[in-house]
Amino acid sequence: SQTIHQWPATLVQPVGSPLSLECTVEGTSNPNLYWYRQAAGRGLQLLFYSVGIGQISSEVPQNLSASRPQDRQFILSSKKLLLSDSGFYLCAWSGGQYTGELFFGEGSRLTVL
Amino acid sequence: KNQVEQSPQSLIILEGKNCTLQCNYTVSPFSNLRWYKQDTGRGPVSLTIMTFSENTKSNGRYTATLDADTKQSSLHITASQLSDSASYICVAGYSSASKIIFGSGTRLSIRP
Repeated sequence: SQTIHQWPATLVQPVGSPLSLECTVEGTSNPNLYWYRQAAGRGLQLLFYSVGIGQISSEVPQNLSASRPQDRQFILSSKKLLLSDSGFYLCAWSGGQYTGELFFGEGSRLTVL
Repeated sequence: KNQVEQSPQSLIILEGKNCTLQCNYTVSPFSNLRWYKQDTGRGPVSLTIMTFSENTKSNGRYTATLDADTKQSSLHITASQLSDSASYICVAGYSSASKIIFGSGTRLSIRP
């Protein structure tokens, strides 16, 4: 069966510090991978998606970047965090079409102080 | 503008009671409608997915309905349990750009 792992679960970082959130998927090959951010009381916002190694699409301009160094690994990064980067980050995967079923990781709570 | 609106924003019901959550969507061209359950601090978990040709789909005590003409969907929960306390998120997919858009969710609390 397929599983998705995301870490760390909780992170407290000072403004200006770097960020690295990691996500790996097991049990499937060539998944579509996504990073979402969820603000309190708001819908999930798509940040990045990838259909293959090294292929990254950004949905909104921001202080973050994403990379896909391996087929089932997706990394969310920042060189210098801003207060506004605080939030709940979710990694997800789907097979085939983007409009197929999404499977989410457990999420990473980021607090920037 | 493509958007998904859910109502109510929050709902409190007693254990054992039924409830219905509403979703209105404006996306074009419509592809599918999904409902997710999200426990506090966790990732969303899929409950149902319906295409435009489906009117209803069930998953245990959860039943989703879809009216593609009026662009409305509902999620009915039967005989609620304490474990049903969560946020329920409606998601509409639109096929031209292979996009999906999330509603802001309904926060459901079940009281014993």
